[in-house]
Amino acid sequence: EPEVTQTPSHQVTQMGQEVILRCVPISNHLYFYWYRQILGQKVEFLVSFYNNEISEKSEIFDDQFSVERPDGSNFTLKIRSTKLEDSAMYFCASSATVLNTEAFFGQGTRLTVV
Amino acid sequence: AQTVTQSQPEMSVQEAETVTLSCTYDTSESDYYLFWYKQPPSRQMILVIRQEAYKQQNATENRFSVNFQKAAKSFSLKISDSQLGDAAMYFCAYRSRETSGSRLTFGEGTQLTVNP
Repeated sequence: EPEVTQTPSHQVTQMGQEVILRCVPISNHLYFYWYRQILGQKVEFLVSFYNNEISEKSEIFDDQFSVERPDGSNFTLKIRSTKLEDSAMYFCASSATVLNTEAFFGQGTRLTVV
Repeated sequence: AQTVTQSQPEMSVQEAETVTLSCTYDTSESDYYLFWYKQPPSRQMILVIRQEAYKQQNATENRFSVNFQKAAKSFSLKISDSQLGDAAMYFCAYRSRETSGSRLTFGEGTQLTVNP
C-alpha cells in the first residue's frame, strides 16, 4: 500500500540552526501539506502546496518557514533559524485529487531544538 | 473560520465494551468532510473513518461507526467491541469540500484508555 514517508524520524538541532525536514508523498497525489503538533496539543495546519506553489498557509507559517518541491518526488519543510518553541512533531500529508479525499499522513518527524 | 471541539479530554472503556467519543464543529459551509483520526503512542496519524456531509447515511468501518447530525453539527465516533489496540488519542477533523485541497482543522483530541 502506498504511503507517505518522512525523514528523519527524529532530529535534534541547536537553537538558531537551519533544519530541513523531508517528505516523499504518495506518487499520484497532487496536494501536499505540513502540520505541526506540539507535545500534548492538537495538530495544527502549517501550509498547503499545489502545482508548485503555496496554496494556503497559517499564521504559524512565518518568514522562518519555507517549503519546496525540489524534484518530482520530495517535498521539504525548511526552518531557517530554529527556536525552542519549534520543538514539535511535524507531519507531512498528501491527498489525491480536487475531490478533496482524505489526507494521508507520514509517520512524522520529531524535532527537538536545544 | 471552522472550529472543531472535542469536550472529552479522556475516556476509558472496558475491553469488549462500547464507547462513544464526542465531537462538535462550527461552520457556515454546507459541503464538507469530517474525519476521525487515531494517534497511537507512535504518534502516527491513522485515518479511522470519514463522512461526507452530503450523505445522510452514517459511515461504518468494521467496529467503528459515526453518528452524524448535520443540523446539530455533531459527529460522534462509536467503537464497538473495544480492543486493547484501540487505546490511542482520537482526533476529530473537518475539511471543506468547497475549496480544493483545503486544510484539515483538528479538535483537541480525546485520549482513550482500554482496560483489560
